[in-house]
Amino acid sequence: LAKTTQPISMDSYEGQEVNITCSHNNIATNDYITWYQQFPSQGPRFIIQGYKTKVKNEVASLFIPADRKSSTLSLPRVSLSDTAVYYCLVDPTSNTGKLIFGQGTTLQVKP
Amino acid sequence: GAVVSQHPSWVICKSGTSVKIECRSLDFQATTMFWYRQFPKQSLMLMATSNEGSKATYEQGVEKDKFLINHASLTLSTLTVTSAHPEDSSFYICSARGFSGELFFGEGSRLTVL
Repeated sequence: LAKTTQPISMDSYEGQEVNITCSHNNIATNDYITWYQQFPSQGPRFIIQGYKTKVKNEVASLFIPADRKSSTLSLPRVSLSDTAVYYCLVDPTSNTGKLIFGQGTTLQVKP
Repeated sequence: GAVVSQHPSWVICKSGTSVKIECRSLDFQATTMFWYRQFPKQSLMLMATSNEGSKATYEQGVEKDKFLINHASLTLSTLTVTSAHPEDSSFYICSARGFSGELFFGEGSRLTVL
């Protein structure tokens, strides 16, 4: 299982764009990269998933270089409610594949 | 969208009693369900993987006799914490994976053992 490494914490201000980078050097061919958000005392919430290049949805963008050994989650114009822990995971996506969580990045958005 | 529901969302019990937590996939069939525990300000730690109709596979260091997992159907898995002690107090989270590989997490269950 590929291990992920991401910064432990980040600070930002409201309205700024936040980029969180994750490294996953041992990613396998069939693995996808998935990002989750977690608030205290809640289960992780799916943000975005990608395999390569760029993926975008209504809340975030995900940039994955050609070698897929890293990825960057981009949150446009963050607000106070985006203060949370963000996890980068390598997902085998097979119907029995398990997800191993790394330490996550605690994002603190300040007014 | 697909929803995974856990029950109860929080439970308080006395030391030495057993507690059961249910995890249900509400609008899809789950080939595999996963159980995690999370201590304050820590990440989620995978405890075990369960497949419908077969024995759960436990991660290293997790006591299978302490944390009983039953996956009786494609929509229900249960985690029973047997003879609970204060050190078992934690946030327990399940996730369910569908046949197409999609994965969803439950809302979590807070266990407090007095």
